[in-house]
Amino acid sequence: KQEVTQIPAALSVPEGENLVLNCSFTDSAIYNLQWFRQDPGKGLTSLLLIQSSQREQTSGRLNASLDKSSGRSTLYIAASQPGDSATYLCAVPSNSGYALNFGKGTSLLVTP
Amino acid sequence: AAGVIQSPRHLIKEKRETATLKCYPIPRHDTVYWYQQGPGQDPQFLISFYEKMQSDKGSIPDRFSAQQFSDYHSELNMSSLELGDSALYFCASSNGGDRSIYEQYFGPGTRLTVT
Repeated sequence: KQEVTQIPAALSVPEGENLVLNCSFTDSAIYNLQWFRQDPGKGLTSLLLIQSSQREQTSGRLNASLDKSSGRSTLYIAASQPGDSATYLCAVPSNSGYALNFGKGTSLLVTP
Repeated sequence: AAGVIQSPRHLIKEKRETATLKCYPIPRHDTVYWYQQGPGQDPQFLISFYEKMQSDKGSIPDRFSAQQFSDYHSELNMSSLELGDSALYFCASSNGGDRSIYEQYFGPGTRLTVT
C-alpha cells in the first residue's frame, strides 16, 4: 500500500515568512499528487494537483513541486498570512487511481 | 461554481441504529468517493463508484453499503452503528477519463455522532 509521510507535523511561523511543507511517498508509480487544506472540523479544499508528468504547479502564493523518482513533493507558501493557518494534507492515488492515500498533515499556524 | 453537496450535515444516532448519508456530485462528474475521518486522523478511503459501478473498495465495514444512482448521486448506508463509527464522512467527486488529471473535489462532510 502507498505510504505517505508529511514533515513537519506542526509548524508555527510569523506572518510574512516563506515556508516549505514536505511530503514523501513510497511508490513512485503515481498518477498525480494533490495538496489539500483543511480548517478544523471542515472539509478539504483542493489547492493544487500535479500530474505525474509535471514537475511543478503554481496557484497564487502556492507552488508545489514533484520529484517522482525520489518520491517527494514540496508545497511552498510565499509571504504567509494568518489566514493560511490550517492543516495541509498531501495525497496520492492508489494503484487503481481512485482511492487517495493521505499523509497525516502539517498543522500550520501563522502568527500576526 | 457548484460544489459537492452532502446531506445531512450533522447526524446523531444511537448504537445499533441505521444511517443514510447522501452525496450530490459536481454536475458532469461521474465518479464519487467516500472517505471517513476520525478525530485527529487523516481521511480513510471507503469506496468509490465510476459510472454507477463500484470502482474501488477500501476499509469499508461489511455493515456499510453504498451505491451510485442514475443521476450520479450516491448514498452511503450504515447499519448496526457502533460508537467507533462517529466521524466526519466526506464525499468527493471527479470527472472520469484520464486518471492523471483526476482532481477530487470534496464536500463539506457529514458529522456523524453515535451515542
